[in-house]
Amino acid sequence: QVQLQESGPGLLKPSETLSLTCTVSGGSISNFYWSWIRQPAGKGLEWIGRIYTTGSTNYSPSLKSRVTMSVDTSKNQFSLNLSSVTAADTAVYYCAREGHSSNWYWFDPWGQGTQVTVSS
Amino acid sequence: DIQMTQSPSSLSASVGDRVTITCRASQSISSYLNWYQQKPGKAPKLLIYAGSSLQSGVPSRLSGSGSGTDFTLTISSLQPEDFATYYCQQSYSTPFTFGPGTKVDIK
Repeated sequence: QVQLQESGPGLLKPSETLSLTCTVSGGSISNFYWSWIRQPAGKGLEWIGRIYTTGSTNYSPSLKSRVTMSVDTSKNQFSLNLSSVTAADTAVYYCAREGHSSNWYWFDPWGQGTQVTVSS
Repeated sequence: DIQMTQSPSSLSASVGDRVTITCRASQSISSYLNWYQQKPGKAPKLLIYAGSSLQSGVPSRLSGSGSGTDFTLTISSLQPEDFATYYCQQSYSTPFTFGPGTKVDIK
């Protein structure tokens, strides 16, 4: 059973770079898309972007200028960097695998989520 | 970007009730529509993918239907463990987008 676990600093100052890693266990990271999704407290879900195991990426246009994703297949990990953070980036950050069948994609499983707070 | 809307934003229901949640896309997305359930402090859980396919392990009292722009999630007989927030999500094109959620609570 594939499991995902996010890790990284929980508290950042404005203008710093958010760096999170998602470690995949119980299965290979290969041949899947892997996404980052965030959720501010009490609000809905926002897709940040995804990376394929070849390194190909798609980012949300609203965050594209600040987002970089990478993958390390040898460690079964993928990562998110979000630069120049502000209080608006405070949220729970989830990593998720994109399950698929033909052209159908869905997010499953998800990591448990990690709280990131941006405050001076 | 494809905008997703849901109605109602919240509802109160009793155990045993039939509950229907509606999701609408701003353009046709065929059946590229997924449903998730989220409980407080937990990650979302996939319920239904491709509009109407039930994820393994999800009770059959849940069902999804629709195509194009209009979709529904139905719970045929609400159980205590179904009180949660439900989100739809389109996988037709990036950026993937979610609906704002529907909170189902106890009447």
